[in-house]
Amino acid sequence: QTVVTQEPSFSVSPGGTVTLTCALTSGSVSTNNYPSWYQQTPGQAPRTLIYYTDTRSSGVPDRFSGSILGNKAALTITGAQADDDSDYYCVLHIGSGTVVFGGGTKLTVL
Amino acid sequence: QVQLQESGPGLVKPSETLSLSCNVSGYSLTLGHYWGWIRQPPGEGLEWIGSMFHSGNTYYNPSLKRRVTMSVDTSKNQLSLRLSSVTAADTAMYYCARTVYSVRLGPLHFDLWGRGILVTVSS
Repeated sequence: QTVVTQEPSFSVSPGGTVTLTCALTSGSVSTNNYPSWYQQTPGQAPRTLIYYTDTRSSGVPDRFSGSILGNKAALTITGAQADDDSDYYCVLHIGSGTVVFGGGTKLTVL
Repeated sequence: QVQLQESGPGLVKPSETLSLSCNVSGYSLTLGHYWGWIRQPPGEGLEWIGSMFHSGNTYYNPSLKRRVTMSVDTSKNQLSLRLSSVTAADTAMYYCARTVYSVRLGPLHFDLWGRGILVTVSS
């Protein structure tokens, strides 16, 4: 069974840069997995940040960027702000009409 | 402005069928997206349940496929979810979401989300 893994937690200082990653247990992530990223604050619905690996959704600040780093998808936050203190989830298309969420990363900005 | 609003019972008994609806306003279900359901147990991560096109074509999470039925009512601009034989493990916040897709590959990502509805499975 294909599993999508993310770092369980990460911390960053305000103004700092952090890169969260999204990996496949069964192989490398590529643009053919159409990585997308979502931000979720407690009690709220997820918000779409990035899709098609590196395309920002409307209204998403340009401090959020997506990429492929090595064999993983990556979400980089450059100049982190207090508002970025959230959970972040990736989604990968793994074939056979199936998408899978990663387990999520809890990002603390302090 | 496109809005998605989930509705349904907040409490379902074990072994019964969970039934939810998602009303979509500001956008016709027939305009060319898939429409999906995602759930999140309390304190846990997100899980894709399935996505459906207005024509009836569906993609389901293989782990839930045996218990899931999705449908679309284009006259009401509404999608529905039925999950049978529920247990406490099905207690979760259930979200409906517009699903961007590829004709060749199926669902790719989600671009619009409802606010979600909490469903508790308990006797």
